Order: sequence, then C-alpha cells, then structure tokens
Amino acid sequence: KQEVTQIPAALSVPEGENLVLNCSFTDSAIYNLQWFRQDPGKGLTSLLLIQSSQREQTSGRLNASLDKSSGRSTLYIAASQPGDSATYLCAPDQTGANNLFFGTGTRLTVIP
Amino acid sequence: DTEVTQTPKHLVMGMTNKKSLKCEQHMGHRAMYWYKQKAKKPPELMFVYSYEKLSINESVPSRFSPECPNSSLLNLHLHALQPEDSALYLCASSVRDRDLRGYTFGSGTRLTVV
Repeated sequence: KQEVTQIPAALSVPEGENLVLNCSFTDSAIYNLQWFRQDPGKGLTSLLLIQSSQREQTSGRLNASLDKSSGRSTLYIAASQPGDSATYLCAPDQTGANNLFFGTGTRLTVIP
Repeated sequence: DTEVTQTPKHLVMGMTNKKSLKCEQHMGHRAMYWYKQKAKKPPELMFVYSYEKLSINESVPSRFSPECPNSSLLNLHLHALQPEDSALYLCASSVRDRDLRGYTFGSGTRLTVV
C-alpha cells in the first residue's frame, strides 16, 4: 500500500520568506501527483498537478517538482503571505483512475 | 457554475437515526467521489462513481450506502452509525475518472454521531 509522508508536519515562517514543503511516497509507480491546500474545516483546493512524465509545474508563486524515481515531490512557495496559511496535502495517483491517496499534510502558518 | 455543493454543512445524529448527505455539481463531471476525513488526518477515499455507476468501494462498512441518482447528484445514506464515524465528509468531482482536469472538492459535511 502506498505510504505518503510530508515533512515538516508543521511550519511557521515570517511573511515574505520562501519555503519548501516536502512529500515522499513509497511506490514510485504513479501516474501523476497533485498538491492541494485545505483551510481549517473546509474542503480542498487543487493547486498544481504534475503528470508522471513532467518534472515540474508552476502557478504564480507556487512551483511543484516531481522526482518519480526517488519517490519525492516538493512544493516551493515564493514570497509567502499570511493568506498562504493552510494545510498543504500532496496526493499521488497510482491507478490512473483519479483515486487519490493523500499524504499526512504540512500545516503552514505565515506570520504577518 | 464551478462548484461542488454539499448539504447539510453540519449534521448531528443519534446512533439509531437514518440520515443522508447530499452532493451536487453542475459542471458536467462524470466522476464523483466520497472521502472521509478525521480530525488532523488526511482525507481517505470511500467511494467512486463513474458515469453514475459505483466503480470503487474502499471496504466501507455497509452502514454507509452511496447512491448516484443522476450525473449531477451524489448521496451518502447513513444508518446505525457509531460515534467513531464522526468526521468531515467530503465530496469531489472530476471530468472523468481518468481525466484529472477540474478535480473539485466541496466544503464538506461535518458529521457528529452521538
């Protein structure tokens, strides 16, 4: 069974800092990987999708990379803002059928 | 309309009650999903519907009964739940089950079983 670990579990940074969130997964046979954010008590918002053939994707201040062979993905957030405070979840898709298996999450707090 | 709408937002039910959670989308998505999320844990997949047919049941107890009456609506019928079933229940949809475009989550129903 796929195991997905995210490090760190929690992170607190001052506003304006660049930061990196890490995701590792045990089974590298994935079709793609998504990064989501979740605000407290809310649903999830899809941030970035990386297909298995890609190495990175960018959206605004966010950049996600994927090293499938080593079972790792990172989410880079540039110039962090208080509005970025949320839990960030990575989710590899092993089946190609869009059945996501979520990581443990990183709870980010950006201090004004 | 680019949303997945879940109702109710909050639900408190007794262990002998029967209740239903509702999920609706009007984006033309043909895959719909139910996830369960316990506090401080990641979401866990429960059911997947593809073209209104149940395609995945992740060994969920029979006290949870999904239903997809049409392509826009997904229900989760609850009966004889246990207190440990208290969680946030999330619905999601995507274009198709093998097409990641537009994977959209609802805001969830927070369920408390007393």
